[in-house]
Parts: sequence; structure tokens; C-alpha cells
Amino acid sequence: DQQVKQNSPSLSVQEGRISILNCDYTNSMFDYFLWYKKYPAEGPTFLISISSIKDKNEDGRFTVFLNKSAKHLSLHIVPSQPGDSAVYFCAASVNNNDMRFGAGTRLTVKP
Amino acid sequence: ETGVTQSPTHLIKTRGQQVTLRCSSQSGHNTVSWYQQALGQGPQFIFQYYREEENGRGNFPPRFSGLQFPNYSSELNVNALELDDSALYLCASSLEGRFGETQYFGPGTRLLVL
Repeated sequence: DQQVKQNSPSLSVQEGRISILNCDYTNSMFDYFLWYKKYPAEGPTFLISISSIKDKNEDGRFTVFLNKSAKHLSLHIVPSQPGDSAVYFCAASVNNNDMRFGAGTRLTVKP
Repeated sequence: ETGVTQSPTHLIKTRGQQVTLRCSSQSGHNTVSWYQQALGQGPQFIFQYYREEENGRGNFPPRFSGLQFPNYSSELNVNALELDDSALYLCASSLEGRFGETQYFGPGTRLLVL
């Protein structure tokens, strides 16, 4: 059961422009959402999170937006840098009981 | 502070065999969660061990089992290997049974079942 979906397997963006990564979910009970970044041969590392009681959370160049009615969240990276090139996973949990991950989006930022 | 380590990094087994994967948690962490990441998919939760007891399990058959030791390191055992068990196995350590941003992932063990 794919409760968290990332429908774009890849995204290519020019350095300095905005990267927008999207994620959809089906379980309305999810109360916490996270984004992870994964480089090759490394484990995922936490990037940013948002609680279901908020609709936006910002941390430097990274902003996550949550639209509960649409069951959709997005990660904005502005400005994008070549070092941001990685696979990005969206994840969600209910009351801190396990985590459901999307399939990931490979972001490539071109110099 | 020591990060999360996993061994081995790569492993090749044949169908029907058994495998043991190991994870050393980050210093001070008492919880280890295991995930399976098949090719082209995101990590799927297998189970979590907290203070040496299983503390939650995902939708995986009983041939996936685990252990946590008094030093909070952990093992994932898979019996009767199937071709579909080929995947990257990730462990993540945390405190007090938590998930989310307080979890630190290891680099994974890539298992190939032939």
C-alpha cells in the first residue's frame, strides 16, 4: 500500500533557480511529514519536517509546504546549488508510529 | 561521537540461504529501526528494537527477525532468502523508540539474492 507517493522520479534544474519537489499522500491520519536527502553510498539524512497543524516551515534555503485538503506537500529549494543534487524522499508518520516513505525524486542541479 | 555503522557493505547470497546483517547504533542511542529499500522504491519499515525488545513491526513475514544487544547494536536476520529480498537494508538509530528527524541512518547493506 503506497500511502506516500512521489510521482516524479527525476527533476533537473539550473543552478540558482528554484527546485520544487512534490509528494502526495492518501492517509489523512498522518500527522508529521519529513523530507530526507540521500547521497550515493550514504544513508538518508533528515532535511526538514512539518507538523500537520502547520502549512509552512522554512529553514534557510529549504521550505516545506503542506496542503492538507489536497493531501499534498512540496519542498522548495531556493536557490538551488549543485551540492543539492541527491535523491529526496518524502516521509510521513502517524503519532510517531513507523514512517512511510515515498519512492524518491532524483534532483540534478546543473551548474 | 560515533555514527551509525552497518556491516557488511555488500553481500551476495543464493535463494534459500540465511543472512545476518549488523548495525551499530550511534553512541547513546537505545533504539534501532530497520528498513528495506528495494530498487526504485523508498525505504520500507521492517521493525524497531527498543531496549532489546521488538517495538513495532511493518508488513514483513516472520522469516525477517531481529535482535538487539545490551550495547544497543542490532542484527537483522532473514531466513529462506527469496529473489525479492534483494535490496538495500538500512538501519537507523534513535532514542526512546522515536522515528523522524531524531533518527540517524547508516549507509546500508546491499544484499543481492541469486
